Amino acid sequence: AQSVAQPEDQVNVAEGNPLTVKCTYSVSGNPYLFWYVQYPNRGLQFLLKYITGDNLVKGSYGFEAEFNKSQTSFHLKKPSALVSDSALYFCAVRDNNAGNMLTFGGGTRLMVKP
Amino acid sequence: EADIYQTPRYLVIGTGKKITLECSQTMGHDKMYWYQQDPGMELHLIHYSYGVNSTEKGDLSSESTVSRIRTEHFPLTLESARPSHTSQYLCASSVRQGSGGYTFGSGTRLTVV
Repeated sequence: AQSVAQPEDQVNVAEGNPLTVKCTYSVSGNPYLFWYVQYPNRGLQFLLKYITGDNLVKGSYGFEAEFNKSQTSFHLKKPSALVSDSALYFCAVRDNNAGNMLTFGGGTRLMVKP
Repeated sequence: EADIYQTPRYLVIGTGKKITLECSQTMGHDKMYWYQQDPGMELHLIHYSYGVNSTEKGDLSSESTVSRIRTEHFPLTLESARPSHTSQYLCASSVRQGSGGYTFGSGTRLTVV
């Protein structure tokens, strides 16, 4: 069975500082990994995904994520946080040997303060 | 523009009422999903469908039911709403194969009073 863990319920960062939102996963096969963002009273929006290739994946709004196979991690990063980045962030994993079903982490609330 | 639509966006309804939350997508996706989202943010899969006339229960037991008579339409029905059904409901869709993820609707925030 596949699983995803987001160990931090909330991450606080000052505007202009780098941010990291952590995600670790477990799958039996090769993982497809995703990050989504959710703004208040909205659905989830796709940020980026890792399928294969370069371990550093670039996505929307200046976000990037680093795939680390040995640590089974896929942390979301941004060099300089904006107040408008404040939102909920969800990591998801799909075992590409187990159909198209995503498993989501519990979510991390990112608070960027001016 | 291809997208996924949920209506209504907000709904306040009395206990015991029957309600249907609508979800439609114009992307031709085979698979569709319903999630219930806690105030504490975690997503819980309550129903999914692989295609027309296919429906499955998700990880979280739910008193709701779904139908999939057309590819583009995946409504969720509560026969008798209760305050415990108060939540945000998110609909999503995806292709059957390939490397893509899910596309989500904007959600329906349901309050049962």
